[in-house]
Amino acid sequence: KQEVTQIPAALSVPEGENLVLNCSFTDSAIYNLQWFRQDPGKGLTSLLLIQSSQREQTSGRLNASLDKSSGRSTLYIAASQPGDSATYLCAVIRNNNDMRFGAGTRLTVKP
Amino acid sequence: EAQVTQNPRYLITVTGKKLTVTCSQNMNHEYMSWYRQDPGLGLRQIYYSMNVEVTDKGDVPEGYKVSRKEKRNFPLILESPSPNQTSLYFCASSLPDRGRRGTEAFFGQGTRLTVV
Repeated sequence: KQEVTQIPAALSVPEGENLVLNCSFTDSAIYNLQWFRQDPGKGLTSLLLIQSSQREQTSGRLNASLDKSSGRSTLYIAASQPGDSATYLCAVIRNNNDMRFGAGTRLTVKP
Repeated sequence: EAQVTQNPRYLITVTGKKLTVTCSQNMNHEYMSWYRQDPGLGLRQIYYSMNVEVTDKGDVPEGYKVSRKEKRNFPLILESPSPNQTSLYFCASSLPDRGRRGTEAFFGQGTRLTVV
C-alpha cells in the first residue's frame, strides 16, 4: 500500500528565507506527483505537477523535484513571503489517476 | 474558466436525513473522485469514477453512494448521514492521457458538512 509522508508537519520561518518541504512515498511505481496549496478551510490549489519522466518543475519562486528511485520529492520556496503561509500537500498519482496524499506541511511565514 | 464546482459549500443537517452534494466540472474530464478531509487523517478517497456509468470504491466508501450518469456531474449521496460523516468534502477531476497515466487534478472549493 502506498504511504506518503511529509516532513516537517509544521514550519515557521521569517520572511525572506528560502525553505524546503519534503515528501516521501513508499512505492516508486508512480506516474506523476502533484503539489498543492491549501488555505485554512479552503480548497486545494494546484502548484506544480511533475510527470514521471521529469525530474523537476518550476513556477515562479517554486521549484519541485522528483526522485522516483529514492521515493522523494521536494518543494523549494525561494524568498518566502507572508502570503505563502498555508498548508502544502503532496500527492502521488498512480495508474488510473489514483491519488494518495500526504498529511501536509503547515507553513507560517512571519513578517 | 476551467473549474470544479461543488454545492453547497456549507451544510448542517440532522442524523438520518438524506442529502446530496453536487459536483460539476466543465473540462470534459473523464476521471472524477470524492475525498473527505479530517484533522490528523488527511485526505482520503471515498469513491471515484473512470467514466460515465463506471464508479468504484475508494478507501472509505461506507455510508456513501455516488452516480455518474453524465460526464460532467458526479454527485455524492449520503442516504442516512451520521455524526461521524461530519467532515470537509472535496470533489476532484482529471483527464487521463492515452496511456491512462495520471494528469493534473483539479479540486472543488470544498463542502463543509456537519451532521448533528
